Amino acid sequence: EVTLVESGGGLVQPGGSLRLSCAASGFTFGNHWLTWIRQTSGRGLEWVALINPDGNSKWYVDSVKGRFTASRDNARDSVYLQMDSLRGEDAAVYYCARDVDWGRLEDWGQGTLVTVSS
Amino acid sequence: DVVMTQTPLSLSVTPGQPASISCKSTQSLLHSDGRTFLHWYLQKPGQSPQLLIYEVSRRFSGVPDRFSGSGSGTDFTLTISRVEAEDVGVYYCMQGLHPPRTFGPGTKVDIK
Repeated sequence: EVTLVESGGGLVQPGGSLRLSCAASGFTFGNHWLTWIRQTSGRGLEWVALINPDGNSKWYVDSVKGRFTASRDNARDSVYLQMDSLRGEDAAVYYCARDVDWGRLEDWGQGTLVTVSS
Repeated sequence: DVVMTQTPLSLSVTPGQPASISCKSTQSLLHSDGRTFLHWYLQKPGQSPQLLIYEVSRRFSGVPDRFSGSGSGTDFTLTISRVEAEDVGVYYCMQGLHPPRTFGPGTKVDIK
């Protein structure tokens, strides 16, 4: 059974940083693309970042470029999202998901809540 | 960015009746290899989204055959042949061809 478990969410002040983690199991982690998606009540689902199997290629939505960095540790079956210079509009539930093929997200984590407030 | 639109944004359905959701994209989702990267997700209340249909019409493992997808290019439809109580939630279409990947706004389905 595939499982993805996010952690690291919490309350952070505007301008602050947070590092999200996603621990995976149940599949050959190093063979798969992983993606981060966030959900706010006002903006629905928003694709945030994508990282390829070896971690050398990454893509980001424009609104987070230069502030967020995706990375992965295939030895630990984990993917990360380093979020810097956080803004109010970054507040959301963040999900990691296994991207099997061109946006086909077969497995999702339970999400971790990020709150940005002073 | 490719903009995805969905209609209607909400739908109230009598159990056993059909339901359809339309999804349109501002650019074609047809890849040069012949595949079309339009996927449907359902987020049930209190749960993470789950894959229902991928590449327009392919049902994901375990998805009941009352769910079907159709369409091509920029116009797509998700159809539930006979809605059941467990089908309530928000349905999202998503395009996977053009970066950044984008979702539709969601269609909330509830039971009358």
